[in-house]
Amino acid sequence: SQKIEQNSEALNIQEGKTATLTCNYTNYSPAYLQWYRQDPGRGPVFLLLIRENEKEKRKERLKVTFDTTLKQSLFHITASQPADSATYLCALEGSGSARQLTFGSGTQLTVLP
Amino acid sequence: GAVVSQHPSRVICKSGTSVKIECRSLDFQATTMFWYRQFPKQSLMLMATSNEGSKATYEQGVEKDKFLINHASLTLSTLTVTSAHPEDSSFYICSAPNRGWYGYTFGSGTRLTVV
Repeated sequence: SQKIEQNSEALNIQEGKTATLTCNYTNYSPAYLQWYRQDPGRGPVFLLLIRENEKEKRKERLKVTFDTTLKQSLFHITASQPADSATYLCALEGSGSARQLTFGSGTQLTVLP
Repeated sequence: GAVVSQHPSRVICKSGTSVKIECRSLDFQATTMFWYRQFPKQSLMLMATSNEGSKATYEQGVEKDKFLINHASLTLSTLTVTSAHPEDSSFYICSAPNRGWYGYTFGSGTRLTVV
């Protein structure tokens, strides 16, 4: 069965540094890979989507890479701020009739002032 | 941007009673909505997919007679937890695909506690 692993359950970094989160998957060939932010007691918020034929996507301080050979995505937050502290979820999505999300367990990021 | 309004945000009910959770797409039409359940410190698990005007599709292991889903209009999907038991206590979240299926918009979630 398909499996998604986010390598760190928790990650602490200093304000201003770049946070790098990892998402690895097995037994799946997603058409899309997405990253979401979830704050405690709230629903996830969509951040970025990258397609299987794309290598990198950027949005403001966020960058996502997607390596379908390694079956891995890296999610970077540059110039991190305490307000970036949250749980970040990686999600895979198929295509056609299989367009639904399968989530990883998340990485709780804490940016220390 | 797209907004999915979910109510109630919190509900406490007695064991054996039923609870209805509503999700409304406020500024767009959602022909498809997804319902998830999230236990503490765990990720979101897809329960079912609701399609406007047709029966919901349930994931393996999810009891369709216990978790009743209705998607009667293009802006409203409801999840009813019937004969709730303490093990049904969880965080329930709905979502709808964004325009062009470019990501998804999630509701704010419903914290259900069954006592």
